[in-house]
Amino acid sequence: QKEVEQDPGPLSVPEGAIVSLNCTYSNSAFQYFMWYRQYSRKGPELLMYTYSSGNKEDGRFTAQVDKSSKYISLFIRDSQPSDSATYLCAMPNSGGYQKVTFGTGTKLQVIP
Amino acid sequence: DSGVTQTPKHLITATGQRVTLRCSPRSGDLSVYWYQQSLDQGLQFLIQYYNGEERAKGNILERFSAQQFPDLHSELNLSSLELGDSALYFCASSVGPGREVEQYFGPGTRLTVT
Repeated sequence: QKEVEQDPGPLSVPEGAIVSLNCTYSNSAFQYFMWYRQYSRKGPELLMYTYSSGNKEDGRFTAQVDKSSKYISLFIRDSQPSDSATYLCAMPNSGGYQKVTFGTGTKLQVIP
Repeated sequence: DSGVTQTPKHLITATGQRVTLRCSPRSGDLSVYWYQQSLDQGLQFLIQYYNGEERAKGNILERFSAQQFPDLHSELNLSSLELGDSALYFCASSVGPGREVEQYFGPGTRLTVT
């Protein structure tokens, strides 16, 4: 079992839809949860990160963490064609110099 | 633009050869990370350096090595290349220890081994 699991998609939605992207993880020691966006043939770009459980909002993006279920989500409101990309969740191991484990990514396509 | 630069953008080489990938971190960042991204494995952490010293190691093969120089740029050396080493190699940087959550990625080097 992988430490971090993501549905690879692709996920196709119409413009303006609310998108829900999810990851599950197995390591209960994870405390920080990051979301990256990666456009085709580009490097990943940090969208946001959260600490422990709860929600965090940044513009049209909301990150949600449920540590009891080991489940994290990224919601995108009013989705735009420019949101079409692969979304990766990531979690650093706890402790000093930290290895970061990435999910394999969910490919999102927003149809105009 | 993240501020992290990587050269070259593309590299095509033959099996058995050796290549060097170069990364310059964002100004002020002391930590450098290397990742390999392939279609079937996703983004895999290889190794982390902080201010010239190796700090964390992931799934890095013995044929691969890295170093970080006094000017903080880093190089990833891949030797005895195999077809399976074909992938995108990314470098990322962050301010330092405890700031792994804020990694900034470069544009990557696409390596093709033929």
